[in-house]
Amino acid sequence: SQQGEEDPQALSIQEGENATMNCSYKTSINNLQWYRQNSGRGLVHLILIRSNEREKHSGRLRVTLDTSKKSSSLLITASRAADTASYFCATVLQGAQKLVFGQGTRLTINP
Amino acid sequence: KAGVTQTPRYLIKTRGQQVTLSCSPISGHRSVSWYQQTPGQGLQFLFEYFSETQRNKGNFPGRFSGRQFSNSRSEMNVSTLELGDSALYLCASSLDYSYEQYFGPGTRLTVT
Repeated sequence: SQQGEEDPQALSIQEGENATMNCSYKTSINNLQWYRQNSGRGLVHLILIRSNEREKHSGRLRVTLDTSKKSSSLLITASRAADTASYFCATVLQGAQKLVFGQGTRLTINP
Repeated sequence: KAGVTQTPRYLIKTRGQQVTLSCSPISGHRSVSWYQQTPGQGLQFLFEYFSETQRNKGNFPGRFSGRQFSNSRSEMNVSTLELGDSALYLCASSLDYSYEQYFGPGTRLTVT
């Protein structure tokens, strides 16, 4: 079963709007990572946030992590058509030597 | 720096056959992970290799196996293919499993 669960499963917004995706997980983690995947291609790493960090920024991306709620959110500001993709959160479980991915959020940016 | 490469990119096989997929990691990366992606199950972890040792394996039958060579290149093999093995197989390399992973373009396997 997946460790992370993204919400919503699909999101459609207008270009220029902000997009927020959420990820919840079940057990203690070392870090949480967000990835983007364009249709049928390999994943691209976006941002990594460690368990002792609460917020991280990278360009138009803002990631927050709340370990007490076991949840994270990814905010994309001023969305562009090129942001259309699936977004996945992935967690490194404490004591497990692997990265576990959620089911992803499919984001569509309408021009 | 060259990215992660996977060969072949596309493959069509018949049930019962076997297949070998190859992955060349980014230079300097010793960790290579393999994932299977399907519309129904999403991204499923297959196994992870570090310095030629398999450190972790996902919940897949023994028909799925892999190995890593001394130059960190990795191969995965699927024997006795089943229709349900049709998927996008992704390879990712990193400095170690907990670091950001760099993915290849994937191998699209179709089993008929």
